[in-house]
Amino acid sequence: DGGITQSPKYLFRKEGQNVTLSCEQNLNHDAMYWYRQDPGQGLRLIYYSQIVNDFQKGDIAEGYSVSREKKESFPLTVTSAQKNPTAFYLCASSRQGAGDTQYFGPGTRLTVL
Amino acid sequence: QKEVEQDPGPLSVPEGAIVSLNCTYSNSAFQYFMWYRQYSRKGPELLMYTYSSGNKEDGRFTAQVDKSSKYISLFIRDSQPSDSATYLCAMKEYGGSQGNLIFGKGTKLSVKP
Repeated sequence: DGGITQSPKYLFRKEGQNVTLSCEQNLNHDAMYWYRQDPGQGLRLIYYSQIVNDFQKGDIAEGYSVSREKKESFPLTVTSAQKNPTAFYLCASSRQGAGDTQYFGPGTRLTVL
Repeated sequence: QKEVEQDPGPLSVPEGAIVSLNCTYSNSAFQYFMWYRQYSRKGPELLMYTYSSGNKEDGRFTAQVDKSSKYISLFIRDSQPSDSATYLCAMKEYGGSQGNLIFGKGTKLSVKP
């Protein structure tokens, strides 16, 4: 089955801890993205990567970090510098064509205790 | 003025009704228009994709784009309880980076049996 997987589905973190969210895709897509979704806020772009070993900040990158060492994988680290990390995190991927659109994973719900 | 405006609802309709969901936008350079459906606690799934103006039909779903009015619509015919979800519009400029996909905040739809 082709698709995007995110793990874990639910994640609990204590304040002051870093935590890493996993995103893997087997669609052979070049580009990958991380979004944050809060109630009433819609989707906000955190980071995106159009090619291995390269990534760009989105609208709300502060307090987050990413890596893109493999085409299939784009992990997101939520650092202790992120002031309000409790949210639903969505990973997406796409091909690189002008008209190609994004396909989403199932999401990770992060709760800071 | 926000780039993409979408009424958050909630919108409640009886089963079998025709549903109309809408987004307005301010950027005349948008050329690609998408509708995503998101069930509670799940990732968004691509429902409809349209390039430039016109209509596109897929089963019970019809997407319309009116670029002169900067207005897009999604119509659902013979609505079913399984259509109950949040519907997100998204749009992008021609040639723009995929990192520039702009989302509406979503409209929550409830179809009552």
